[in-house]
Amino acid sequence: EAGVAQSPRYKIIEKRQSVAFWCNPISGHATLYWYQQILGQGPKLLIQFQNNGVVDDSQLPKDRFSAERLKGVDSTLKIQPAKLEDSAVYLCASSLGAGGTKTQYFGPGTRLLVL
Amino acid sequence: GEDVEQSLFLSVREGDSSVINCTYTDSSSTYLYWYKQEPGAGLQLLTYIFSNMDMKQDQRLTVLLNKKDKHLSLRIADTQTGDSAIYFCAEKETDKLIFGTGTRLQVFP
Repeated sequence: EAGVAQSPRYKIIEKRQSVAFWCNPISGHATLYWYQQILGQGPKLLIQFQNNGVVDDSQLPKDRFSAERLKGVDSTLKIQPAKLEDSAVYLCASSLGAGGTKTQYFGPGTRLLVL
Repeated sequence: GEDVEQSLFLSVREGDSSVINCTYTDSSSTYLYWYKQEPGAGLQLLTYIFSNMDMKQDQRLTVLLNKKDKHLSLRIADTQTGDSAIYFCAEKETDKLIFGTGTRLQVFP
């Protein structure tokens, strides 16, 4: 079974530029998550999708971050414009559903450096 | 509030046991998890425990839960160099995982 795929793996941009990350979850997984992991910290949830609907985006800085999952499969996360403090690893995870013990499987992440 | 705390570093000799500790604040958490993160990789689920359990053992891993003190620990028996990584505990609040800051485990020969 293929795991969660993310691209690109690394991205370096200058502040005020835009950037987009892509995630392909495990086939059949209805729930998709985007996390931000700042160096030295644990991952923090940015947004959770159930199929193509948003379940929780309370921690998403909506003035600059946006995410979509139009067909309920792949997802993109965009930052526009980027700030220095957005430098982090962006992790995508997916699970069969959201309740109980349904395991979240993580992708390798996209490492973003904003200069 | 949501706050999961872990010590930052742990160094052990190969073959010894490692114990990684975690404290959490949300007493309504139904599940608590341990994840492992190797350099440049995503998070790998190691094990989890339901909040009505005190202990769970899975091969070299033993999870202990003290719900009264909101304390969770992960014991790795016969620690190997391949166990060197960052270990995160996480509590599940409704459908959201709240992660700790991570403990970097270094295993030396």
